[in-house]
Amino acid sequence: QVQLVQSGAEVKKPGASVKVSCKASGYTFTSYYMHWVRQAPGQGLEWMGIINPSGGSTSYAQKFQGRVTMTRDTSTSTVYMELSSLRSEDTAVYYCARGWRGDSIAARPLYFDYWGQGTLVTVSS
Amino acid sequence: QSALTQPRSVSGSPGQSVTISCTGTSSDVGGYNYVSWYQQHPGKAPKLMIYDVSKRPSGVPDRFSGSKSGNTASLTISGLQAEDEADYYCCSYAGSYTNVVFGGGTKLTVL
Repeated sequence: QVQLVQSGAEVKKPGASVKVSCKASGYTFTSYYMHWVRQAPGQGLEWMGIINPSGGSTSYAQKFQGRVTMTRDTSTSTVYMELSSLRSEDTAVYYCARGWRGDSIAARPLYFDYWGQGTLVTVSS
Repeated sequence: QSALTQPRSVSGSPGQSVTISCTGTSSDVGGYNYVSWYQQHPGKAPKLMIYDVSKRPSGVPDRFSGSKSGNTASLTISGLQAEDEADYYCCSYAGSYTNVVFGGGTKLTVL
């Protein structure tokens, strides 16, 4: 069965960086894009970006351009999301979510069919 | 990219129907048929309920339906049940092949 297992909670100081991992299993890792979505406490979902595990190409939301880096390791079926220059507003649960194309293999991978359990990142001095 | 606009909350009694709206622009909701809806219970990861505006993934009850008119998409839940009480988020394609944007979320209360 498809599983996305994320790394554990982190506490960081303002200005630091955090790197969250998401290990995939139960499917062919390079066949599905992976999105990252975050959710601040009591707030809504916010899309951060996407990585294609096959070639490593990425696309980031404008808000995070220059601060976020998404990478992957095909040998371990793991994707990573690193966020730098952390500030208190970055305190949130960070999710990885598999990109699903719906009914057509030719469609864009715009839907999230499987999610990781979430990783709480707390930014505090 | 601005978030899509949803009502903060809606409510309904068991057995009734409720509709949640999601308003965007011609650059997202209105421009493409790539609207999806997610249900999130407290402390849990979101769950895909609707994709391609109106399609249901396997296992989602047919009480959940989606539609779109112009720049506004809608999720309708008929025959409300207690377990439907949750937060609901719309999501739309926003360009650049893979970029998406979420709505602010709507809290559904089953009275």
